[in-house]
Amino acid sequence: LAKTTQPISMDSYEGQEVNITCSHNNIATNDYITWYQQFPSQGPRFIIQGYKTKVTNEVASLFIPADRKSSTLSLPRVSLSDTAVYYCLVGGPNTGFQKLVFGTGTRLLVSP
Amino acid sequence: DTAVSQTPKYLVTQMGNDKSIKCEQNLGHDTMYWYKQDSKKFLKIMFSYNNKELIINETVPNRFSPKSPDKAHLNLHINSLELGDSAVYFCASSPRQRRSSYNEQFFGPGTRLTVL
Repeated sequence: LAKTTQPISMDSYEGQEVNITCSHNNIATNDYITWYQQFPSQGPRFIIQGYKTKVTNEVASLFIPADRKSSTLSLPRVSLSDTAVYYCLVGGPNTGFQKLVFGTGTRLLVSP
Repeated sequence: DTAVSQTPKYLVTQMGNDKSIKCEQNLGHDTMYWYKQDSKKFLKIMFSYNNKELIINETVPNRFSPKSPDKAHLNLHINSLELGDSAVYFCASSPRQRRSSYNEQFFGPGTRLTVL
């Protein structure tokens, strides 16, 4: 399974755009990139998934460069409630989507 | 209305005891999971069931035994509890998880197990 590397923590202020980058240098051709969000004392929640270029939904955008060795989760205009841990997962049909691996995540702290 | 529920939310027990954690989902999903999140917040899959059939069994001591009486329930029984078992255990479910396509997982609120 492709190993992922994320910053351990990030700080931001309300209203700012936050970009969290995940490195996955040995991503396989068929692998997808999936992001989950975990609030304190809750289970993770799916945010977004992508394969290449850009994916956007009501919560976030996911930017994936052509070489796919990294990806960036972009949260527009964060609020205090976006304080959470964000996990980047990489996996696909060859490795089995059932076994997506959660890493240590990035702890985002949003301040007033 | 809770989609994935777990009981109990907190569990404090002595070393050597046997305990169970229950999980139920009302989403009509076919696949259920158990994860362990340790003190460093590393989230690791333990087991996965597709419609009552075990499909993933990661390197977990055989003191841990999942039981799925029906596809809406996946309980976790732990024998002879050890200090290192202290963690938060999350149950999750998803539409039938296939090797070739991804279905997002829905997690329960977690059960914080403390072994003294």
